[in-house]
Amino acid sequence: QKEVEQNSGPLSVPEGAIASLNCTYSDRGSQSFFWYRQYSGKSPELIMFIYSNGDKEDGRFTAQLNKASQYVSLLIRDSQPSDSATYLCVREAGTALIFGKGTTLSVSS
Amino acid sequence: EAGVTQFPSHSVIEKGQTVTLRCDPISGHDNLYWYRRVMGKEIKFLLHFVKESKQDESGMPNNRFLAERTGGTYSTLKVQPAELEDSGVYFCASKVAGGYEQYFGPGTRLTVT
Repeated sequence: QKEVEQNSGPLSVPEGAIASLNCTYSDRGSQSFFWYRQYSGKSPELIMFIYSNGDKEDGRFTAQLNKASQYVSLLIRDSQPSDSATYLCVREAGTALIFGKGTTLSVSS
Repeated sequence: EAGVTQFPSHSVIEKGQTVTLRCDPISGHDNLYWYRRVMGKEIKFLLHFVKESKQDESGMPNNRFLAERTGGTYSTLKVQPAELEDSGVYFCASKVAGGYEQYFGPGTRLTVT
């Protein structure tokens, strides 16, 4: 069983729509989670950090964490073509980060 | 402020040869990490330095990989001898002490033929 599971996609949404990206994890003791965005050929960049159950909003992005269900999600409102990228769900494990394989998002104009 | 830099950006070597990858973290970042992504797989942790000390090297695949961080500044990752399965993108990341965000470099794409 993979530690962090994501649907690889591609997830295709039209411009202006809400994109919903989901992730499940296997280690019930996990505390902190990140969403990184990676454009093709570029380095991963942090867009959201969440460690408490519930929602965390930052601009057009909302991260949701449900530790009982071992589920993390990322909502992107008013999606733009510039949001087209691979989104990596990541959990913190001691000193290391454990990555999912990523979900590719494509926003069409 | 400059970000994390890595050199080279791309390296093509033959099986059995040696390659050394370099990472320069953000100035003042005590924590330095190496990760690797092989084709079709997720990014995987290799090791973590705090200053010049190896804090966690549990992800290093075998003894053909040697990481150093002399003086607690830049780090090198040497692969000797390289095997075909070592091909992938090697990322370096750094983090300030007490922070939560790891800042990633652009990666080095290693191709072993």
